[in-house]
Amino acid sequence: EVQLVESGGGLVKPGRSLRLSCTASGFTFGDYAMSWFRQAPGKGLEWVGFIRSKAYGGTTEYAASVKGRFTISRDDSKSIAYLQMNSLKTEDTAVYYCTRVWVAVANHWGQGTLVTVSS
Amino acid sequence: EIVLTQSPGTLSLSPGERATLSCRASQSVSSSYLAWYQQKPGQAPRLLIYGASSRATGIPDRFSGSGSGTDFTLTISRLEPEDFAVYYCQQYGSSSWTFGQGTKVEIK
Repeated sequence: EVQLVESGGGLVKPGRSLRLSCTASGFTFGDYAMSWFRQAPGKGLEWVGFIRSKAYGGTTEYAASVKGRFTISRDDSKSIAYLQMNSLKTEDTAVYYCTRVWVAVANHWGQGTLVTVSS
Repeated sequence: EIVLTQSPGTLSLSPGERATLSCRASQSVSSSYLAWYQQKPGQAPRLLIYGASSRATGIPDRFSGSGSGTDFTLTISRLEPEDFAVYYCQQYGSSSWTFGQGTKVEIK
């Protein structure tokens, strides 16, 4: 069974950094692209970014709203994807979801982790 | 960036009725990269439809997707109590993903 478990969320002050982790199990992690999405309280879904598998170069893409501040990486040996968030803003407050990507869709989602950016 | 507009914003229906949800794109979307998700309160989204019309694993056949170009539709043939939720369309193109704003299907 595919499982994705996010961790690392919490309360952080504006301008600070936070790193989220996504621990995967139940599939060959290195074979898949992984993507992060977020959902602000009471709002819709927003794509944050994704990282391709090593077979496709392990390259990353980001939404304009986070480009230059957020970095996605992966450790295939540990089956973990990371989301490094720097220079956090209050508008980054959201539940962050880690997903497995398959044919350009997110076919498995974690339960999400809440990030609150507030002074 | 392709903008997806979903309508209606809220759909009030009774169990057993048919639900028709619309997703319109600001420019043509490859059908291969149009998906629908369901989200219930407090839960992560769940993939329902990919490639505009293919059901994801374990999705009941009362859910169907159709459309091409800029107009796509999700149809729920007969609403079950567990189908009352928010539905999002999503497209992938130019190495980025966008979502519609969602349609809430509520019990009338």
